[in-house]
Amino acid sequence: EPEVTQTPSHQVTQMGQEVILRCVPISNHLYFYWYRQILGQKVEFLVSFYNNEISEKSEIFDDQFSVERPDGSNFTLKIRSTKLEDSAMYFCASSDVGQGNNEQFFGPGTRLTVL
Amino acid sequence: KNEVEQSPQNLTAQEGEFITINCSYSVGISALHWLQQHPGGGIVSLFMLSSGKKKHGRLIATINIQEKHSSLHITASHPRDSAVYICAGGGGSQGNLIFGKGTKLSVKP
Repeated sequence: EPEVTQTPSHQVTQMGQEVILRCVPISNHLYFYWYRQILGQKVEFLVSFYNNEISEKSEIFDDQFSVERPDGSNFTLKIRSTKLEDSAMYFCASSDVGQGNNEQFFGPGTRLTVL
Repeated sequence: KNEVEQSPQNLTAQEGEFITINCSYSVGISALHWLQQHPGGGIVSLFMLSSGKKKHGRLIATINIQEKHSSLHITASHPRDSAVYICAGGGGSQGNLIFGKGTKLSVKP
């Protein structure tokens, strides 16, 4: 069964460093999402991406964040200069339809720890 | 502002018990998703509802659009059902989800 994959599973970085989190969505999906979950808190929407551009982003997704689909398979989230409060689990998701009434498939997550 | 509220926050049950988790949502949410998050953190989609009721094995999800309320039921609960159950509203035009805080379910043998 097709699945969303994410790498790495765990990333440890120093404050101020850049990190790139990678996702491979399901191959025929067109809509891609990043969410994050700070430990003990609820999952929060970061950004949605369709047709090679951001379609919606939350207040969390400031200038330190960027997303890219560098080739036909990968979908990346870059944090330019990490802060302690960026420590969280980051989930990638994809769906074949962009409306809110369609199932999203989640990756296993990348746990980011900023020291 | 689109919001999703879940209750209870924590739920402990004995194996075999019938379990109900509730979710209320605000105007602007067009569909309700139920998700399961395991201790390792991975999230699995269980149901997506915009009306009526859906059943998959021992799991049943219902939604009342007029009352903006949805419930997830687990029949004959089992310790392997122990997880965090999350409801999320499909509120954005691009499909981004608005999550509830989750219900941590623990089923004791």
